[in-house]
Amino acid sequence: EAEVAQSPRYKITEKSQAVAFWCDPISGHATLYWYRQILGQGPELLVQFQDESVVDDSQLPKDRFSAERLKGVDSTLKIQPAELGDSAMYLCASSLVTKGTQYFGPGTRLLVL
Amino acid sequence: EDQVTQSPEALRLQEGESSSLNCSYTVSGLRGLFWYRQDPGKGPEFLFTLYSAGEEKEKERLKATLTKKESFLHITAPKPEDSATYLCAVQNNTDKLIFGTGTRLQVFP
Repeated sequence: EAEVAQSPRYKITEKSQAVAFWCDPISGHATLYWYRQILGQGPELLVQFQDESVVDDSQLPKDRFSAERLKGVDSTLKIQPAELGDSAMYLCASSLVTKGTQYFGPGTRLLVL
Repeated sequence: EDQVTQSPEALRLQEGESSSLNCSYTVSGLRGLFWYRQDPGKGPEFLFTLYSAGEEKEKERLKATLTKKESFLHITAPKPEDSATYLCAVQNNTDKLIFGTGTRLQVFP
């Protein structure tokens, strides 16, 4: 069964350091999403890609966060510099089309010390 | 403003004790309502999509229903392996998913 892959699964870093997360969506899925989930809350959208283009990054803190999907397949989310408040689960999801069901990866749990 | 409210926040059930989880919503142009299951430390796992009031879907011990203002996830004769957090999300008219905070279900043998 096709799945969304993410790495690393866990990341511990010190504040002011740079971190990067990687996501490989289900093959053929044109739409890719990055979400942040704080413990006890639901996921919140950070950025949405349609192929290689950003279609929604309104909730992405652009002073420190960046995301790219250069060839329209896998994607990288970067935080530089990391802050204590960035500690959360970072989830990647993909869908066949924008209106379609979103399938999530296992997530990357980030702890900033 | 689009909003999703789930209740209760937490639910403890004895094995075999049926119950329902509630998801009430306000949304600009509902495109779909989604239910996900999330185990601790893992990503959400898709369960159901409902598109219009009156629609129902079933999977094993789970049944989801939808009205114009809320959705219910009915759990019949739950087992300990049904323990998880159940997330509800609505898709609005810009195709954005808005999630609730989830119901944490614990089923004891």
